Amino acid sequence: NAGVTQTPKFQVLKTGQSMTLQCAQDMNHNSMYWYRQDPGMGLRLIYYSASEGTTDKGEVPNGYNVSRLNKREFSLRLESAAPSQTSVYFCASSATWRGSSYEQYFGPGTRLTVT
Amino acid sequence: AQKITQTQPGMFVQEKEAVTLDCTYDTSDQSYGLFWYKQPSSGEMIFLIYQGSYDEQNATEGRYSLNFQKARKSANLVISASQLGDSAMYFCAMREDHNNNDMRFGAGTRLTVKP
Repeated sequence: NAGVTQTPKFQVLKTGQSMTLQCAQDMNHNSMYWYRQDPGMGLRLIYYSASEGTTDKGEVPNGYNVSRLNKREFSLRLESAAPSQTSVYFCASSATWRGSSYEQYFGPGTRLTVT
Repeated sequence: AQKITQTQPGMFVQEKEAVTLDCTYDTSDQSYGLFWYKQPSSGEMIFLIYQGSYDEQNATEGRYSLNFQKARKSANLVISASQLGDSAMYFCAMREDHNNNDMRFGAGTRLTVKP
């Protein structure tokens, strides 16, 4: 039981390059999330997916796109990376029951640097 | 949108003593959930404890307890009998039940346990 896995662990991009961060969970959770964490700040929600086939914007969605490929996988794409997107990115998942979500389980994070 | 405030950027505690990490929140909703997460230097986010707004008793999980004062909108984390392994960043988070996938985090408190 791996929980939530993310790839890659580290990435360096040049401004304007694109990349996709991959996330998978094996806990049969309905909801999945992408966050970014910047120094001195807590996590900020980029996008979430309440169920397979649905995605919604979070607090800071600009510059990102997501795909909920199936129940297990939720990817985050940067189409044209900018230095302001240098951050640590976390994927998370949670169970839901009768519309309520519970604690979120996090992946190990991806440290992205855009030069 | 909800807001979480952690006013203590850093805290020190002697090993085996108890420590309280402060968290206040702002919401107009009556139904919401409060969470605490631990982030060690290795970077992963670890769920510690949950308190629902309608829970009459304060939540407890082992050495962690949540001092929930609804009228004051505070949800302080109490760690009893501190251990060196408790040294980490601690984040308070909240989600409102009407949009229970939108979790907001505080800026965090860095706890250092002294031997």
